[in-house]
Amino acid sequence: SQTIHQWPATLVQPVGSPLSLECTVEGTSNPNLYWYRQAAGRGLQLLFYSVGIGQISSEVPQNLSASRPQDRQFILSSKKLLLSDSGFYLCAQCQKNMNTGELFFGEGSRLTVL
Amino acid sequence: AQTVTQSQPEMSVQEAETVTLSCTYDTSENNYYLFWYKQPPSRQMILVIRQEAYKQQNATENRFSVNFQKAAKSFSLKISDSQLGDTAMYFCAFNTNAGKSTFGDGTTLTVKP
Repeated sequence: SQTIHQWPATLVQPVGSPLSLECTVEGTSNPNLYWYRQAAGRGLQLLFYSVGIGQISSEVPQNLSASRPQDRQFILSSKKLLLSDSGFYLCAQCQKNMNTGELFFGEGSRLTVL
Repeated sequence: AQTVTQSQPEMSVQEAETVTLSCTYDTSENNYYLFWYKQPPSRQMILVIRQEAYKQQNATENRFSVNFQKAAKSFSLKISDSQLGDTAMYFCAFNTNAGKSTFGDGTTLTVKP
């Protein structure tokens, strides 16, 4: 069965420091991968999605970037964190042969920027 | 652009009773999919139920069912025989382009013993 691992689970970082959140997928190949951010008590905002290695689309202008160096690895990064980057980050995958677009989520990474 | 609106930020229900969560959406597309996802306090989001827009029959998964009104762009979730484990945040989501889902702001459901 497919699983998604995210780490770290929690992270507290000072403003201006770099960020790297990692997501790896098991049990499937060539998935579409997504980074969502969930603000407290709010819905999910799509940040980035990737249909393949090295292919990244950004949905909103922001301080973050994403990379997909391997088929089942998706990384969310920042060179200098802002207070507004705090939130709960969810990685998700969708199998291309599932036309429904059903998403499978990781357990999330909670980022607090101080 | 598609939008999804969940007008009930919080709801509560007594154990064993039935509760309905509301969701409306806006789109000009004709073919799409609608979802309800559950996010328990442990945080991992999971799919509860899915509805294909081209199907008139409402989807059902055990105690969970939907009332899909395409003309009204309404997609409510009914939970029957509520259980304590149903306590979670529920998100309505809309998808037309395999994976680029748009989510509502969620409804926090508390099931009371």
